[in-house]
Amino acid sequence: EAGVAQSPRYKIIEKRQSVAFWCNPISGHATLYWYQQILGQGPKLLIQFQNNGVVDDSQLPKDRFSAERLKGVDSTLKIQPAKLEDSAVYLCASSLEDRNTGELFFGEGSRLTVL
Amino acid sequence: QKEVEQDPGPLSVPEGAIVSLNCTYSNSAFQYFMWYRQYSRKGPELLMYTYSSGNKEDGRFTAQVDKSSKYISLFIRDSQPSDSATYLCAMNGAGSYQLTFGKGTKLSVIP
Repeated sequence: EAGVAQSPRYKIIEKRQSVAFWCNPISGHATLYWYQQILGQGPKLLIQFQNNGVVDDSQLPKDRFSAERLKGVDSTLKIQPAKLEDSAVYLCASSLEDRNTGELFFGEGSRLTVL
Repeated sequence: QKEVEQDPGPLSVPEGAIVSLNCTYSNSAFQYFMWYRQYSRKGPELLMYTYSSGNKEDGRFTAQVDKSSKYISLFIRDSQPSDSATYLCAMNGAGSYQLTFGKGTKLSVIP
């Protein structure tokens, strides 16, 4: 079974530039998550989708971050304009169910460096 | 006070040692407790999942939950160099989908 695919793996940009990350979840997984993991920290949820609807985006900095999940499969996360503090690994995860199982399947992440 | 506290280490042990990793939490609504393992430059992967207080064993790994003390542990017996990774505790409450992660403990098992 193919895992969660993410691209690009690495991205270096200047502050105020924009960047987009792509995620393809495990086939059949209705729930998709974007997490931000700053160096030395645990992952922090940015946004959760159930199919193509947003379940929770309360921790997404909406002035600069946006995310969409068209057709309930692939998802993109965009940052515009980027700030230095956005340097982090952006992890995409998917799950069969939307709550309580705790079994999230993570991709390898997209590592962003903002200079 | 953070909701989940986890000593970031680093922790270095010789091969074959018993490793104890711990997290404390403050939110009494948390009912589901997990341990994720994250290798360098990889995404986290689920190791153990527990619901109630008590112990759960899976091979060399034992997860322990003490809800009265708001304290969870992961024990690794006969540790191997391949266990070298960052271990993240995570938890959520009934009816909630949002996992709260600890900072992670970086473990190195020296051959």
